Amino acid sequence: NAGVTQTPKFQVLKTGQSMTLQCAQDMNHEYMSWYRQDPGMGLRLIHYSVGAGITDQGEVPNGYNVSRSTTEDFPLRLLSAAPSQTSVYFCASSYSNMGGVTSPLHFGNGTRLTVT
Amino acid sequence: GIQVEQSPPDLILQEGANSTLRCNFSDSVNNLQWFHQNPWGQLINLFYIPSGTKQNGRLSATTVATERYSLLYISSSQTTDSGVYFCAVLTFWGFGNVLHCGSGTQVIVLP
Repeated sequence: NAGVTQTPKFQVLKTGQSMTLQCAQDMNHEYMSWYRQDPGMGLRLIHYSVGAGITDQGEVPNGYNVSRSTTEDFPLRLLSAAPSQTSVYFCASSYSNMGGVTSPLHFGNGTRLTVT
Repeated sequence: GIQVEQSPPDLILQEGANSTLRCNFSDSVNNLQWFHQNPWGQLINLFYIPSGTKQNGRLSATTVATERYSLLYISSSQTTDSGVYFCAVLTFWGFGNVLHCGSGTQVIVLP
């Protein structure tokens, strides 16, 4: 099993450019989520999904879009990159059901994004 | 939203020393996870512990959900234990979990 795979590992964008960060998991997890980590801080939730076709906003959703067309993939789109979006982005997944049974979050290795 | 506070923010240890990291949270939670961010930035799961005590080698964790805190113990620390330790609580919201993360404890273990 590859677990959670994020691509690319590094990306540099100019202000105003758009791009998509890819996240894929092969554990058949229903729950997937995106976080950003800024220097000296913990993870802040951007968006999450509890299954194909279902997404919701987290703590810091502005400037980001997501969709979930398959169980395996959960891409994060930056519509018009801004320097404030310079950060390290982590994707995570876990088993989760409506009864509240969950597994630990499994993280990808992160994407380091710089917006100039 | 739920608040997660970790202490201390920084910890410098001599190799071989023991230490305790604390995580306080402001509301009842479904679950709690400790993970370690190594110097290369990878996030490694340590414990998934809604209550009680778990041990894994030199590390152990105790969560007292009724008093809203969790402790992570590092015994006989090694230089490879350096990094940032995060506590994160999971609340069940709607049809899924939401993770609320503390700001971490930066641990430096000196040889």
